[in-house]
Amino acid sequence: LAKTTQPISMDSYEGQEVNITCSHNNIATNDYITWYQQFPSQGPRFIIQGYKTKVTNEVASLFIPADRKSSTLSLPRVSLSDTAVYYCLVVSQVGYQKVTFGTGTKLQVIP
Amino acid sequence: DTEVTQTPKHLVMGMTNKKSLKCEQHMGHRAMYWYKQKAKKPPELMFVYSYEKLSINESVPSRFSPECPNSSLLNLHLHALQPEDSALYLCASRPPDNSPLHFGNGTRLTVT
Repeated sequence: LAKTTQPISMDSYEGQEVNITCSHNNIATNDYITWYQQFPSQGPRFIIQGYKTKVTNEVASLFIPADRKSSTLSLPRVSLSDTAVYYCLVVSQVGYQKVTFGTGTKLQVIP
Repeated sequence: DTEVTQTPKHLVMGMTNKKSLKCEQHMGHRAMYWYKQKAKKPPELMFVYSYEKLSINESVPSRFSPECPNSSLLNLHLHALQPEDSALYLCASRPPDNSPLHFGNGTRLTVT
C-alpha cells in the first residue's frame, strides 16, 4: 500500500493560486492518485483523480510527473470557502482493496 | 447533498446500549466501506464489503459488527462501546470501474 506524505498545513490569501504537493514514492503501476476535500463534520468530497501527466476539471488541476512519485494539486484563485483539509490518496484499481488516508493538508485561506 | 445517505446524523449512546448506524446508496456500487474519524485526524478504514461479503476487517474490536444485507445497504451494529469510540463514522461506496469513493456525511457518535 503506497504511503503518502503532504505538508501538514498551508496558508494562502484569497485570490491566489494554491499548490499542494503529495509524495508517494512506492506507487504501483495499477494505482491512481485521487484528491479529496473535507470540511469539518462532513464526509470527504472528491476533487480530482489522475494517472499521469495533467488532469483538469472545473475546480482544480492535477499535475503528475513521469515517474509518478509525487503529484501536485493546484487550486486556482482560492476563496475563503476553500478553507478545508485536502487529502491525497493512492488508490489501486485492482479489485476493491484498502483505501487509506494520509495525514492531509489543512489549507487556511486568509482574507 | 450526497448520494450516500447515512442515518442517524447524530447519536448519543451509553456504554451498555446497543445501536446501529445505517448507510444506503442506490448507485449500483458493489463495494462499501466504513471509516472512523476522530477530531483533527484522517479517516481510518474499519471494514470493506465487496459484493455483499466482508473482504477487509482492519482488526476492529468485536463491539463493532458490520452487516451488508443487500447491495444498497450497509449497517454497523454497536454494542458495549467505550467513550473513546466517540467519533464521526463515515460510509463510502465505490463503483466497479476506476471511479473514486463516494462518501456520506457521516454519523456523529457520542458514547457517554
